[in-house]
Amino acid sequence: EVQLVESGGGLVQPWGSLRLSCEASGFSLTTYSMNWVRQAPGKGLEWLSYISSTGSTIYYADSVKGRFTISRDVAKNSLYLQMSSLRAEDTAVYYCARDRTDYAEYYFDVWGQGALVTVSS
Amino acid sequence: DIQLTQSPSFLSASVRDRVTITCRASQGISIYVAWYQQKPGKAPKLLISAASNLHSGVPSRFSGSGSGTQFTLTITSLQPEDFATYYCQQLNSYPYTFGQGTKLDIK
Repeated sequence: EVQLVESGGGLVQPWGSLRLSCEASGFSLTTYSMNWVRQAPGKGLEWLSYISSTGSTIYYADSVKGRFTISRDVAKNSLYLQMSSLRAEDTAVYYCARDRTDYAEYYFDVWGQGALVTVSS
Repeated sequence: DIQLTQSPSFLSASVRDRVTITCRASQGISIYVAWYQQKPGKAPKLLISAASNLHSGVPSRFSGSGSGTQFTLTITSLQPEDFATYYCQQLNSYPYTFGQGTKLDIK
């Protein structure tokens, strides 16, 4: 079964750091590009970051550029989001999502269950 | 960055009604639009890709149309399970922006 399972969410103090993980099963991260998307409480979806299937291309939203880092471990078939200098406005549910653009299909077809990150003192 | 504006932001309707949600892009994006449905506490679920392609397993009462800067999602004969929030997303260029969402609730 194709599945994404996130972990690593929790409560962190302002200016702190946290790393989210997204373990993929049923497919390889070397054959699909991946993304992180977040949703603040009661708000809409915000795309954050992209990593290509080769790992060679990475993009970030301006709101997290310089503070968040996307990476992956192909041996563990896992995607990561390292978050630093966290602010209250980073409080959100964070989703990893599989991208079909490598196959000329433009959509996110598999999503994780979400990981809640709360930034508060 | 490409901005997506959905209208309306809120919509009340009844079972068996037909509803249409519009998504307008700030610049032309060909047909690189996807539509998602999200229910409270759940991840978004893909409905439509490439503006009008119905994703596998999605009921045929859902349909999408449009190209360039204006896109629509139509649901014919609303069912109780359709009451949710709907988002459009552009995948023409990064950042892959979403519309602000349309919350569809029961009248």
